[in-house]
Amino acid sequence: GAVVSQHPSWVICKSGTSVKIECRSLDFQATTMFWYRQFPKQSLMLMATSNEGSKATYEQGVEKDKFLINHASLTLSTLTVTSAHPEDSSFYICSARGLTGDLYEQYFGPGTRLTVT
Amino acid sequence: GQNIDQPTEMTATEGAIVQINCTYQTSGFNGLFWYQQHAGEAPTFLSYNVLDGLEEKGRFSSFLSRSKGYSYLLLKELQMKDSASYLCAVMDSNYQLIWGAGTKLIIKP
Repeated sequence: GAVVSQHPSWVICKSGTSVKIECRSLDFQATTMFWYRQFPKQSLMLMATSNEGSKATYEQGVEKDKFLINHASLTLSTLTVTSAHPEDSSFYICSARGLTGDLYEQYFGPGTRLTVT
Repeated sequence: GQNIDQPTEMTATEGAIVQINCTYQTSGFNGLFWYQQHAGEAPTFLSYNVLDGLEEKGRFSSFLSRSKGYSYLLLKELQMKDSASYLCAVMDSNYQLIWGAGTKLIIKP
């Protein structure tokens, strides 16, 4: 399957600072990228959907000014957690989707574990 | 509304067979996915069904009945490394994935 990379894999930051997470599709062009958050023992929660070159669409309850998403190219999307707080500590996972023939395939990055102290 | 149901937790014995069911109600249907997720890791793709029937891939098989809104993931010859959460997801008419809460599978020796 296709490869999606995510960087960093883990990060610890102080409350009030900002953290940027990168998501790259390494061997295919991702028309759409998704950002998920997952708290311990819970399912994936979709935060936002982004298409290359356009503004991200945020799910209800997700603050767009706090979670800044930039989908600059068909292979790169970034999520910036601004003014992080301890309650933002979570596992953030990106997913990239591309069209292979008639099938939309969606692959996940390895995730970024964010701890805000 | 859109809804994906799957059991919260299942337990099985090493070497046995287990079937994880998933029922769904979504606005449109463009395929059903099964993912495996080990604790602390991102999900990994297992299977995709868009037509009715059984898709077999090694020890794992996935079945779909669109008329019943039903799928199952069948795991054979269970190994300890199969202990993980198994996520059922349906792609709706907008090509968005709707996720189930996941089934935690515990394998006992």
